[in-house]
Amino acid sequence: GAGVSQSPRYKVAKRGQDVALRCDPISGHVSLFWYQQALGQGPEFLTYFQNEAQLDKSGLPSDRFFAERPEGSVSTLKIQRTQQEDSAVYLCASSLNPSPGVYEQYFGPGTRLTVT
Amino acid sequence: AQSVTQLGSHVSVSEGALVLLRCNYSSSVPPYLFWYVQYPNQGLQLLLKYTSAATLVKGINGFEAEFKKSETSFHLTKPSAHMSDAAEYFCAVSLLSSGSARQLTFGSGTQLTVLP
Repeated sequence: GAGVSQSPRYKVAKRGQDVALRCDPISGHVSLFWYQQALGQGPEFLTYFQNEAQLDKSGLPSDRFFAERPEGSVSTLKIQRTQQEDSAVYLCASSLNPSPGVYEQYFGPGTRLTVT
Repeated sequence: AQSVTQLGSHVSVSEGALVLLRCNYSSSVPPYLFWYVQYPNQGLQLLLKYTSAATLVKGINGFEAEFKKSETSFHLTKPSAHMSDAAEYFCAVSLLSSGSARQLTFGSGTQLTVLP
């Protein structure tokens, strides 16, 4: 079956531009996570949705970052007025259920954002 | 708070040799522990997970890991390396606590090189 898909796979933005990154989770998955992976680092948590509700946004680095999942399926991560430090790979993951003991998080291939 | 430390950002082994990737965690409560593998330009794939059952966990592709509470470690091993094992490996921890997003906290990764 289809896994988690993300688009675009690569995005180059000029500093100050707004970008929107899309995540299509596995159908029926309740939980959706966004992570940011800087070059040479492990992924870092950004935000979490359970269905359409954003239950945790504690990892969003600034108010320029905004995420939504209006119908409980597709999610969009928006970054306003991009800065060079926003350059990273943005990973989306979905899970059938929040519990990590039973339900695996399935990761998409990521969107590589380069801010010039 | 929870954190993960991976010792050695780069590990090289010969094909057929033992693979040992080190991971230590800190957590104030019993953790769930995971190992993920990331191939270039791909998302993370779960290798194995510890969820408070057996301390020796077997995963895919011949990998296994042992949870040692006294050493706060969860090292990943494979008896005989294959060329196809060359990738980046991430250790991750998640808390059992209810009400949390149960996001994963990742280490900084270990790049495994397999030499012919």
